[in-house]
Formats: sequence, C-alpha cells, structure tokens
Amino acid sequence: AQKVTQAQTEISVVEKEDVTLDCVYETRDTTYYLFWYKQPPSGELVFLIRRNSFDEQNEISGRYSWNFQKSTSSFNFTITASQVVDSAVYFCALGRQTGANNLFFGTGTRLTVIP
Amino acid sequence: ETGVTQTPRHLVMGMTNKKSLKCEQHLGHNAMYWYKQSAKKPLELMFVYNFKEQTENNSVPSRFSPECPNSSHLFLHLHTLQPEDSALYLCASSQGGQNTEAFFGQGTRLTVV
Repeated sequence: AQKVTQAQTEISVVEKEDVTLDCVYETRDTTYYLFWYKQPPSGELVFLIRRNSFDEQNEISGRYSWNFQKSTSSFNFTITASQVVDSAVYFCALGRQTGANNLFFGTGTRLTVIP
Repeated sequence: ETGVTQTPRHLVMGMTNKKSLKCEQHLGHNAMYWYKQSAKKPLELMFVYNFKEQTENNSVPSRFSPECPNSSHLFLHLHTLQPEDSALYLCASSQGGQNTEAFFGQGTRLTVV
C-alpha cells in the first residue's frame, strides 16, 4: 500500500528562520516518484519538485532544499531564511511508476511565517 | 495564470440541485484529473482521464458524474449531493505517461446546504 505521512500539521516560524517540513512515505515499489507541492491561500497546488527513487542526491533551488533519504523513507523539505510569502500549506506526494498517473498525498503541513 | 482554469470558484447548492464544475487546461496535456480536498484529509483522487478516456474511478458515488469531451476540457456533474460532499474540488492536468508533474487549477469551493 502507498502512504505518505506528514506528521507536522502546523508550523509557525518567525521570518528569516529556517524551517524543515517532514515527509515519510511507504511503498513496496522499487521505482517511485516523490513530489512536493505548495498550496497558497488562492487554492491551486503549485509544483515544487519531483524526484525519482533512483536519485538520492539532495537538491537545492534558491532558498529551498530537499533531503531524500531512502534508508529512512523520508523526503524532507527545508526553507532557509523563510519569508512571509512562504506561508502556505505544503503537500508531499508519492507517485507510482505503473498504473494510473496517481499521486498519493499526505495531509499537508500548514506553514505560517510571522513577520 | 496557472494554465488550468476552474469555474466557478465558489458554489453553494442545495441537496436537490444539479450543477456542473468546469475545468479547462491550456497546456496541451493529455491527462486530466478530479481531486477532492476535505479538511484534515489527504487529497483524494476521484477520476482520471487519458486522451478523453476514463481510466480510473476511485469508488466515487454516482452522484458525481465526470465528462471529458476533449483533452482540454473536463466537467464534473453534480446531483443530489450530501452536506459531507462539501469540499474543495481540484482539477489537474499532466502530460501523461509515468508520473510527470501535475498542474492544478485553483479549485471550486463547494458547499452543500
């Protein structure tokens, strides 16, 4: 069975602090994909990153970085020097290689950055 | 401009009403999806269409009826809904194939009274 757990329901940080959002996944597939999406108050989910299970290299994009640890089935997301515009709900998702193009989402983490 | 446009943005309907949600994508994608987002629950995939053909129905009640006339348009027809169907309904599209990223619309906030 596929499952994504985002244990942090809500996080509040003060602007310029670093924050890490946790994501733990479960799958029996050997090939799979992991995603992060951002949902601002306007509602749409904005794609941030996709990683496949064979690529464990960490990735940095500006203030965003992702730490993929296959050994612990985790795909954590760090925002450095947080800004008020980072306030949103962040979703981690797991995708399978075969079958329908179906994403299994976590319940999301609501991040509030306080000015 | 997200490339995926949903209308209406907000909808209030009675349990005996019939209404439709519309989704249009301008990205040239060949797969479209309906998701339901309820409070404190993971996003639930409802329907998947690939090249206008429905390829997945995740045990969705028949009071939700999808329609995909072409690869750019997707509808969700609603009738005799229940208050627990109140949620944010999100449409998404992707290039299809194996887990290319999905692009989402802003959703329709549905309230059933």
